[in-house]
Amino acid sequence: NAGVTQTPKFRILKIGQSMTLQCAQDMNHNYMYWYRQDPGMGLKLIYYSVGAGITDKGEVPNGYNVSRSTTEDFPLRLELAAPSQTSVYFCASTKGRYYEQYFGPGTRLTVT
Amino acid sequence: AQKITQTQPGMFVQEKEAVTLDCTYDTSDPSYGLFWYKQPSSGEMIFLIYQGSYDQQNATEGRYSLNFQKARKSANLVISASQLGDSAMYFCACRSTLGRLYFGRGTQLTVWP
Repeated sequence: NAGVTQTPKFRILKIGQSMTLQCAQDMNHNYMYWYRQDPGMGLKLIYYSVGAGITDKGEVPNGYNVSRSTTEDFPLRLELAAPSQTSVYFCASTKGRYYEQYFGPGTRLTVT
Repeated sequence: AQKITQTQPGMFVQEKEAVTLDCTYDTSDPSYGLFWYKQPSSGEMIFLIYQGSYDQQNATEGRYSLNFQKARKSANLVISASQLGDSAMYFCACRSTLGRLYFGRGTQLTVWP
């Protein structure tokens, strides 16, 4: 059981570039989430999904897009990267909203 | 939206002593849950303990217990018998009815020998 995996671990982007952060889980969880953590802050929800084909915005969705075509995968797309998107990105999953969320190891993204 | 407040940016405790990390929350959801996560310097998020808003008893998990006072909207984490490996950032989070988690800004705990 790999749990929640994220790739890449680190990435440097130039302003205006785009990229996709990958997230996968092998626990057959329906609920998946994307968070960002800025320095010295807690995590903020970007997008979440309650099942394949269903996604919804969180607190800070601007500049991001998601899709959920399978139960296992929940990629996060950054379009036209900006320095304000420099952050650590965490993907998480849970079997239900009343259970703990399992987090991936995170992706550290720098936009310069 | 929920608001989570952790008023202690940093806490220090001697090894083997107990420590309490404070958390207050503000939510209008009738049903919610409270979580504590640990983030060591390596960066991963580790689940510690969960308390449901309708749970009658305080949650416990090994050396961790959650002091839940619903009327005061507080959910403090108590770590008994601190260990050097407990040094980390600790986050309190509140789960909304829709399943979203709202995090506080965290408390940096340092355990000294």
